Amino acid sequence: GAVVSQHPSWVICKSGTSVKIECRSLDFQATTMFWYRQFPKQSLMLMATSNEGSKATYEQGVEKDKFLINHASLTLSTLTVTSAHPEDSSFYICSASLTENTGELFFGEGSRLTVL
Amino acid sequence: AQSVTQPDIHITVSEGASLELRCNYSYGATPYLFWYVQSPGQGLQLLLKYFSGDTLVQGIKGFEAEFKRSQSSFNLRKPSVHWSDAAEYFCAVGAGYGNKLVFGAGTILRVKS
Repeated sequence: GAVVSQHPSWVICKSGTSVKIECRSLDFQATTMFWYRQFPKQSLMLMATSNEGSKATYEQGVEKDKFLINHASLTLSTLTVTSAHPEDSSFYICSASLTENTGELFFGEGSRLTVL
Repeated sequence: AQSVTQPDIHITVSEGASLELRCNYSYGATPYLFWYVQSPGQGLQLLLKYFSGDTLVQGIKGFEAEFKRSQSSFNLRKPSVHWSDAAEYFCAVGAGYGNKLVFGAGTILRVKS
C-alpha cells in the first residue's frame, strides 16, 4: 500500500514554456503533499507544502509565481513550472502523508525536468 | 527548526564488510527519524523509521539504526554489505505527523568487490 506516482518521469522542454508535473496517491488519500527539488549530487530541498483545498505554503526563496502548486483533490497535486529556464532543470520529487498518524511520508519516483 | 548532518559524503566498503553511516540531527523535541535510499535517477525508498519505543529499529534489506538521544544521532548499520547496496543514503528528520522532512546532504556508498 501507500503508493505515490508521478507523471511524467522525465520531460524535456524549450525555454519559456510551462511544464506540469502530477503527483498522485494511488491507494490512499493525502491531505498533505510535499514537493522537493533535487539538484545533481545534492540533497532534497523542500519547495512547498501542498494542502488539499487551500493555497500551498512555500519555503523561503521559492517563487510561488514560478512554481504553481494545485492540490484540488485528496489524491492529486500538481506542480507547474511556468516560463521554464535552464536553471529550472532538476529532479522534482513529491511525497504524501497518510491520514493515519504515522508521521511517515511516501515518495514518488521523481520527475526529471530538462529545459533547453 | 530541525536540521540533519551526514558527515560523510562518500564511503567505500568491501563487499561483505560491515557498514555504518552516520547521522546527527538537531531538534528541540522528540524527532521522527528516517533513513531513505536512492539509486541513481530514482525516487526514494524508505529503509526504516523511528518514532518512539525501542531505540534499535530494524528495516528492510538487513539494515538497522539506533537512536541515541544523548548523542542526537541515528546511525544506520548493516553487518554485511552487498554490491546491490551501492546507492545514496539520506537521513531525514520530521517534527511529527505528516510533517515536512528535512534531509541530510546524503552519503554515497560504494561497494568494492
